Amino acid sequence: AQSVTQLGSHVSVSEGALVLLRCNYSSSVPPYLFWYVQYPNQGLQLLLKYTTGATLVKGINGFEAEFKKSETSFHLTKPSAHMSDAAEYFCAVILNQAGTALIFGKGTTLSVSS
Amino acid sequence: SQTIHQWPATLVQPVGSPLSLECTVEGTSNPNLYWYRQAAGRGLQLLFYSVGIGQISSEVPQNLSASRPQDRQFILSSKKLLLSDSGFYLCAWSPGTAYNSPLHFGNGTRLTVT
Repeated sequence: AQSVTQLGSHVSVSEGALVLLRCNYSSSVPPYLFWYVQYPNQGLQLLLKYTTGATLVKGINGFEAEFKKSETSFHLTKPSAHMSDAAEYFCAVILNQAGTALIFGKGTTLSVSS
Repeated sequence: SQTIHQWPATLVQPVGSPLSLECTVEGTSNPNLYWYRQAAGRGLQLLFYSVGIGQISSEVPQNLSASRPQDRQFILSSKKLLLSDSGFYLCAWSPGTAYNSPLHFGNGTRLTVT
């Protein structure tokens, strides 16, 4: 069965510091992995995705993630945090071979202090 | 452009009462449609998805049901609400499979069962 584990339900960083949000996955099919962001009282929007090819994926707002098959990980990073990055972040994996849906992790809330 | 409408934004219902949440998508045809629930400590849980009219797949056994009476309409229902049905319900759509089509989320319905 497909599953995603996000380590740390809450991460706090200072403005300008490195952001690292951790995601590990389990997948019985070739893993297609995603990061979504949710701002308060809103739906989610796509940050980036890994399907095939380059294992370092760049997304919007300066975020990037690296797919590491040997570690079954897909951690999200940003070199320098901004106040506007404060939100909840979700890692997700494809549900099945048909790609009909995504399975999300429990989310990590990122707080950024000045 | 495509838009997704989800209503109501908030809802307070007593235990044992029925539920109907509606989601419609404009500006596209034959979308994949999804219902997710976000509850404290449980992350984003896939409830139902639909790849066409009358085609509903359920991912989690529960007190809820879904229907797709029209191509761009997705309804989440319950005959008798439980306290555990409280949460933030998100409708989403995608133009194709999750491999190459991001999910586009509505702004959600916050349901409180009292």
